[in-house]
Amino acid sequence: GENVEQHPSTLSVQEGDSAVIKCTYSDSASNYFPWYKQELGKRPQLIIDIRSNVGEKKDQRIAVTLNKTAKHFSLHITETQPEDSAVYFCAAFTGTASKLTFGTGTRLQVTL
Amino acid sequence: GAVVSQHPSWVICKSGTSVKIECRSLDFQATTMFWYRQFPKQSLMLMATSNEGSKATYEQGVEKDKFLINHASLTLSTLTVTSAHPEDSSFYICSAVQDNSNQPQHFGDGTRLSIL
Repeated sequence: GENVEQHPSTLSVQEGDSAVIKCTYSDSASNYFPWYKQELGKRPQLIIDIRSNVGEKKDQRIAVTLNKTAKHFSLHITETQPEDSAVYFCAAFTGTASKLTFGTGTRLQVTL
Repeated sequence: GAVVSQHPSWVICKSGTSVKIECRSLDFQATTMFWYRQFPKQSLMLMATSNEGSKATYEQGVEKDKFLINHASLTLSTLTVTSAHPEDSSFYICSAVQDNSNQPQHFGDGTRLSIL
């Protein structure tokens, strides 16, 4: 089945700096890659997603890139703010298995 | 749009009790619902996939007789943890999708289950 690896597990940046989180996946049949932000005790919130026919997508301070050949995708957050502090999960959806596989998560801390 | 309601949000009960958690899609019809379990500081682990009107598909290692799933309508799926024990204490989250071939999944608020 699909295996999603995520790095780093923790990331501390200063306010205003950029943050990058990277994920790799194993199943070439995966075709949809969402990123979720989860605050403590709350639901995962979709912040951006990308489909396999697109290489890059941007939404204000957040961008995602996808390299299908290398089977990796990354989340980029620019001009980080304290409210960006949370745990971020990448995920890969495999149509053949019809399920979403999550990465292990990255705890992002934005310091003043 | 795409709101998923999950109840209860928090349950504390004695060992041996059965607990039912409800997951409702409020403004769309969900052909597929998913149940996840999340232990502290860990990722979301898929427990089972529930399709309306058919038996749930359980992930490897998840006991189907312990975690009963019913998806009787296009807007409601329930997870019943039978004879719960302390090791079942976790954060259970459901998600729903209108068309499983066309994500994204929409998550409920989760249920924190504590078994004493």
